[in-house]
Amino acid sequence: DAMVIQNPRYQVTQFGKPVTLSCSQTLNHNVMYWYQQKSSQAPKLLFHYYDKDFNNEADTPDNFQSRRPNTSFCFLDIRSPGLGDAAMYLCATSRDRAASTDTQYFGPGTRLTVL
Amino acid sequence: SQQGEEDPQALSIQEGENATMNCSYKTSINNLQWYRQNSGRGLVHLILIRSNEREKHSGRLRVTLDTSKKSSSLLITASRAADTASYFCAFTGGGNKLTFGTGTQLKVEL
Repeated sequence: DAMVIQNPRYQVTQFGKPVTLSCSQTLNHNVMYWYQQKSSQAPKLLFHYYDKDFNNEADTPDNFQSRRPNTSFCFLDIRSPGLGDAAMYLCATSRDRAASTDTQYFGPGTRLTVL
Repeated sequence: SQQGEEDPQALSIQEGENATMNCSYKTSINNLQWYRQNSGRGLVHLILIRSNEREKHSGRLRVTLDTSKKSSSLLITASRAADTASYFCAFTGGGNKLTFGTGTQLKVEL
């Protein structure tokens, strides 16, 4: 009974070709996050949704966009992937936005390769 | 950078031994959490320790927090091959953003 599901697990795209990564959750959590994790590095927060309220990190490139059509689903769109965007993309959820007390639940990740 | 620093970067031990990894940070924190990541997978939450706590246990895990030194340690006792993974500390400061440490790669050999 998976709680945070990411599809696909592996995605290959071409340089400059738009790509969309998908995340869904069965936890009915208010908050959904997208992280980028490059090889042997810590996860880096790109943005998060608190319900329908979108919160972008200051250093997230404009190339990265997100959509949350309903509570269960959240998408990461990369408009023009570059070679430097090859990474693992992790989706996470939490019940509320109080990161000081809330646990984040992570999906298995989507590994993106850019050719 | 506000990122946490972890050491060692990599640790290799024999099954049955204890593994200790350390995390240091620079800001004031509300809490500190530890996550495990198996190779190529997502992160799994292990334990959370609040800023007013000094030690916490969960099964074979023991976490300490020293806010005066801005550091935390994770001890895994009686390690097993299945404990092989990367371990990340993560903390929150004044906002709601979770900041991760650089990670420790643990390898437990049979």
